[in-house]
Parts: sequence; structure tokens; C-alpha cells
Amino acid sequence: ETGVTQTPRHLVMGMTNKKSLKCEQHLGHNAMYWYKQSAKKPLELMFVYSLEERVENNSVPSRFSPECPNSSHLFLHLHTLQPEDSALYLCASSQDNRVNEKLFFGSGTQLSVL
Amino acid sequence: QKEVEQNSGPLSVPEGAIASLNCTYSDRGSQSFFWYRQYSGKSPELIMSIYSNGDKEDGRFTAQLNKASQYVSLLIRDSQPSDSATYLCAVNGGGATNKLIFGTGTLLAVQP
Repeated sequence: ETGVTQTPRHLVMGMTNKKSLKCEQHLGHNAMYWYKQSAKKPLELMFVYSLEERVENNSVPSRFSPECPNSSHLFLHLHTLQPEDSALYLCASSQDNRVNEKLFFGSGTQLSVL
Repeated sequence: QKEVEQNSGPLSVPEGAIASLNCTYSDRGSQSFFWYRQYSGKSPELIMSIYSNGDKEDGRFTAQLNKASQYVSLLIRDSQPSDSATYLCAVNGGGATNKLIFGTGTLLAVQP
């Protein structure tokens, strides 16, 4: 266990559904991240939060909406997704968002959009 | 476009041999370099970090960094079947925010 917990582990949704992914870290870290991992592609950074403030939005479509109510919790709200959004969504945390900090990943949510 | 390049493999080595995994990166301003191991169906797990030129050893793992050549490698000594996984190279993309750029990973298969 890395101390970063993601739920649900698997999610199947239609293109008109609204769902949310949840991430919780028990490491006392101040920075949290969402990454997307698609087959045969490198991990893509989506969002970075530092002390509940979004510091990076890596050109992610508006159908993905992050929320960070406190430094331990991070959500990714999903609506009107496309089949190409099917992927493994990984949450990570680090002590802070300085450039040398190590990331600790959760187990991910495997998302399928039908 | 900042990039991290890895050979996708599979890299097949016999048990007990040395596995050598390589990675090149495009951004000369990169300051921190990481190797993650990802078992099939699991999340990436950090195994090594390196920040300065030269070698860094941790148990059976050695990371090597050459900033002039923009090259980072991971050596695994005495490879075990349990080392079979995808190894992801990650490089910090520079700037003020911790933005790791990942390669596509190299699949390592250690044959018993």
C-alpha cells in the first residue's frame, strides 16, 4: 500500500452519464495529481493541486473537472465523456510540488466509456 | 514538445543476469529523474531517483545519469522472475511545478 487510495477500482459509464473518481492520501502530503494512462501511451499529466489550489491544468477538456476540497482528498468529476477517454486514471501525491519531489501513486481507476 | 524515449521491449534476460534499461530525454533543463516499476494491472511504484551525474546504487538497482548525453539508465543485477514488469522512466519537465514526463516504458521479462 502506498498510502494513496482510489475508488472505484473499475467504472463503466455511458457517454451521457456523470460520475466522479475519488482519491484520498494518508501521507500528510500537500500536492496531489491526476494522471491518465492509455494503452501504448506514456502517462499524461492532467492536473496538479498544491495546498488545495490548482497549479496546473495540462490542456484537459472541460468534460473532466477536478476538485480538491482539502490536501488529503482529490476528485475528478466526469461528464459527457467520449469512448477515447477510456483509460486508467491514476492519482498521485507528493510532499509538495517542488520539482525534485517523488510521486506516490494510487492503484488507479480503470474507466470504460461505452 | 518535451519527450522521454524508451525502447518498449520486451527485453528478455535469463534469471541471474544483469538487465539494462535505457532512457533518453529531450529537455536539457531537466533536474530530476526517476524510475518506476509497474506490474501488469497495478500502479507505478517508485524504485529509484537520481539528481546528479554518475551512478546511484540501491540494493540490486543502479541508476546512471549522464546529463551531457541526456541519458539515464537502470541496471538490475541478479535479475529475478519477480522483476518482470514494465519500467517507466520519468523526467521532471522543468519550471516551477513538479511535472513529471513519462516514457512509454520498457517491458522486462526475466526467464527462469
